[in-house]
Amino acid sequence: NAGVTQTPKFQVLKTGQSMTLQCAQDMNHNSMYWYRQDPGMGLRLIYYSASEGTTDKGEVPNGYNVSRLNKREFSLRLESAAPSQTSVYFCASSFPVSNQPQHFGDGTRLSIL
Amino acid sequence: TQLLEQSPQFLSIQEGENLTVYCNSSSVFSSLQWYRQEPGEGPVLLVTVVTGGEVKKLKRLTFQFGDARKDSSLHITAAQPGDTGLYLCAGSMNRDDKIIFGKGTRLHILP
Repeated sequence: NAGVTQTPKFQVLKTGQSMTLQCAQDMNHNSMYWYRQDPGMGLRLIYYSASEGTTDKGEVPNGYNVSRLNKREFSLRLESAAPSQTSVYFCASSFPVSNQPQHFGDGTRLSIL
Repeated sequence: TQLLEQSPQFLSIQEGENLTVYCNSSSVFSSLQWYRQEPGEGPVLLVTVVTGGEVKKLKRLTFQFGDARKDSSLHITAAQPGDTGLYLCAGSMNRDDKIIFGKGTRLHILP
């Protein structure tokens, strides 16, 4: 039972390059989330998807796009990477009710040079 | 504006000591959750509290939700090096709202 799987685990990009972070969950959760975690800033929500076919902006969506490919998969795309997007990115999933736990992947450590 | 304020930001204590960390807000939350995050890993849920005044225990960890549902505390008795980590509180103001995270308390237990 893998839970939430994120790929890749590490990535280094040059400014202006694009890439997609992948996330898949095997818990049959409806809701999926993308966060970034920066020192002293905590977890900030980038985008979330309450159910298959829907996506909504979170607190810091600029510079990112997402795709909810199916119930299992939720990808995050950086079209033109900037140094300010250097961060650790976490994907999470949960049942749609807010008091249900969020299950997190182990993160993608992304550096933009 | 940070809706959930966690304090202290950092705490370093000796093994065997007791400690309390806090999660405060001026807003009422329908539920609060506590997570622990270890280096190189994602946060892992410890507990969810939903009722004002609720107290939950998880071995040496005691979690309390304030009567007015605006704050929560985490008390650790006889801290051990394995308790080291980043403790995050998170909450939602309405049952169907997405969760908001605090910035966390980084705890270091010295052997």
